[in-house]
Amino acid sequence: DADVTQTPRNRITKTGKRIMLECSQTKGHDRMYWYRQDPGLGLRLIYYSFDVKDINKGEISDGYSVSRQAQAKFSLSLESAIPNQTALYFCATSDGGWEEKLFFGSGTQLSVL
Amino acid sequence: GESVGLHLPTLSVQEGDNSIINCAYSNSASDYFIWYKQESGKGPQFIIDIRSNMDKRQGQRVTVLLNKTVKHLSLQIAATQPGDSAVYFCAENSGYSTLTFGKGTMLLVSP
Repeated sequence: DADVTQTPRNRITKTGKRIMLECSQTKGHDRMYWYRQDPGLGLRLIYYSFDVKDINKGEISDGYSVSRQAQAKFSLSLESAIPNQTALYFCATSDGGWEEKLFFGSGTQLSVL
Repeated sequence: GESVGLHLPTLSVQEGDNSIINCAYSNSASDYFIWYKQESGKGPQFIIDIRSNMDKRQGQRVTVLLNKTVKHLSLQIAATQPGDSAVYFCAENSGYSTLTFGKGTMLLVSP
């Protein structure tokens, strides 16, 4: 079983719709992250959470919100999806060590029409 | 602002050759660096890391070199195999408890 599980794997939606991407982990890590990947732009940080009561904005948080429901669950929401939010989204975890070594899920490909 | 970048977007090699993937970083405060491998349809996977107090670190068939003088990081893959074909990302931790990623290099290995 995957240590970091993202659902759904693929999603097509229309402009203006609310979308939630979910992430769960069995690694027991406190820290969880949401990244967005666009061709040629690498991975950009959207939001991160160091524990259930701690939520922080990343580099590109506008248009997104998150919820840390439990240590193992971290969801990303697009309140009103727009086409330029079409991208590959990754959830990641870390154990909070000094190095911040991240462990990634398999990704959610989101297309906004 | 500070950023992590790559010299080559695509690197094509023959099976059995050694591969070198380069990364330039501009944040002199960065004290930890990681290389990730991303295969098609998968999330990035950790390959090897290095702290700023080191110049070189070796793993299984991979070596990371860090040159702090010119702010350059490289990943060397020995005896490259078709299974090494993937996108490789470097990332740096500049002390803000999050990683900043480079844009990636595609490695293509021909049999």
